[in-house]
Amino acid sequence: EGQLVEAGGGLVKPGGSLKLSCAASEFSFTKFTVNWVRQAPGKGLEWVASISASGNYMFYAESVKGRFTISRDNAENSVYLHMSSLRVEDSGVYFCARDHDHAYLTFDLWGQGTLVTVSS
Amino acid sequence: DIQMTQSPSSLSASVGDRVTITCRASQSLSGYLNWYQQKAGTAPKLLIYAASTLESGVPSRFSGGGSGTSYTLTVNGLQPDDFATYFCQQSYITPSTFGQGTRVEI
Repeated sequence: EGQLVEAGGGLVKPGGSLKLSCAASEFSFTKFTVNWVRQAPGKGLEWVASISASGNYMFYAESVKGRFTISRDNAENSVYLHMSSLRVEDSGVYFCARDHDHAYLTFDLWGQGTLVTVSS
Repeated sequence: DIQMTQSPSSLSASVGDRVTITCRASQSLSGYLNWYQQKAGTAPKLLIYAASTLESGVPSRFSGGGSGTSYTLTVNGLQPDDFATYFCQQSYITPSTFGQGTRVEI
């Protein structure tokens, strides 16, 4: 079935940086695209970024382009999201989510999420 | 970006009811439409993908339909475990976008 576990969230001041991690287990990690999806408190879901199985292709939402960087280490079965120039509106729970093996941008496995709070 | 609009934003229902949620896109999705269920404090769960394909392990009381710009999620015989928020999502093109959610409550 598989498991994803996020870590690295916390409180950071506007303009600051934070690096999230997503550790995968119990599935063939190197075969799957992985995404970050966030949810502001009490709000809906927003796709943030994705990285291909090989790590060669990355895509970003316009709202984070130039500030966030997604990366992966297939030897460590992990995906990362480096966030810089953080804004108050970046606050929320960040989930990593695996692409379905039969459907692109379809998220069949999610982590429990990690909370990011951007506040002075 | 493709805009996704769900209706209603919330609804009240009873156990055993048939419930239908609608999702409309600002352009055709060619069937690349997914549905998720989310309960408070937990991650979303994939229910249906490609408009009408039931994800493995999801009860058959959930069904999806539609085409083009208009899609539906139907729950036949609502169960206590189904009271949650439901989101549609287009996987037709990057950036993927979600509807604002429909809260199903008693």
